Amino acid sequence: DTGVSQDPRHKITKRGQNVTFRCDPISEHNRLYWYRQTLGQGPEFLTYFQNEAQLEKSRLLSDRFSAERPKGSFSTLEIQRTEQGDSAMYLCASSLRTSQGDEQFFGPGTRLTVL
Amino acid sequence: AQKITQTQPGMFVQEKEAVTLDCTYDTSDPSYGLFWYKQPSSGEMIFLIYQGSYDQQNATEGRYSLNFQKARKSANLVISASQLGDSAMYFCARSDTGGFKTIFGAGTRLFVKA
Repeated sequence: DTGVSQDPRHKITKRGQNVTFRCDPISEHNRLYWYRQTLGQGPEFLTYFQNEAQLEKSRLLSDRFSAERPKGSFSTLEIQRTEQGDSAMYLCASSLRTSQGDEQFFGPGTRLTVL
Repeated sequence: AQKITQTQPGMFVQEKEAVTLDCTYDTSDPSYGLFWYKQPSSGEMIFLIYQGSYDQQNATEGRYSLNFQKARKSANLVISASQLGDSAMYFCARSDTGGFKTIFGAGTRLFVKA
């Protein structure tokens, strides 16, 4: 399977706990994105990496959220001291910018439930 | 705020007929990209079609075409010959000049009737 993968697919945690999600992009893609999607809404942009550099971070991302892409390959998204409002689907996407545009390929998502 | 507006929360279409899903956007960027994605009930986001703001012709991909009207800031998706498998959420999205920050609309749920 050469698509974007995410792990875990589902995570249930208690309020106040820390969680970490992993995203493995398509290998030749240099761009990686994290989004959050709540029920009935479109994905909301969280952050973006080009190679290992985090170039953009949404104001939606509070200080409890941090993302890394240490070697320009896989990425992790950590949420500290989770709150019930963090419950959502967290989507990762990757892309390779070409003259034809910047089609993002999405992973299956990690569904987070905070109890 | 620079946002994407999809005014149709839900749409019904008869199988084999064409349907148009509306999308309007705000932007002050001189260069941007427009995308449509499909999200079936299984949850995965599937890329359908891309239109660059400087592209002279409307984009087409199989049964999908994008009706791009730059002056009106609209980028409607046309699905021809609808199939039952087209039933899904459809999201319009815009990327900025750098191509990285992408804003999505709230989506339109399409129901295809047999």
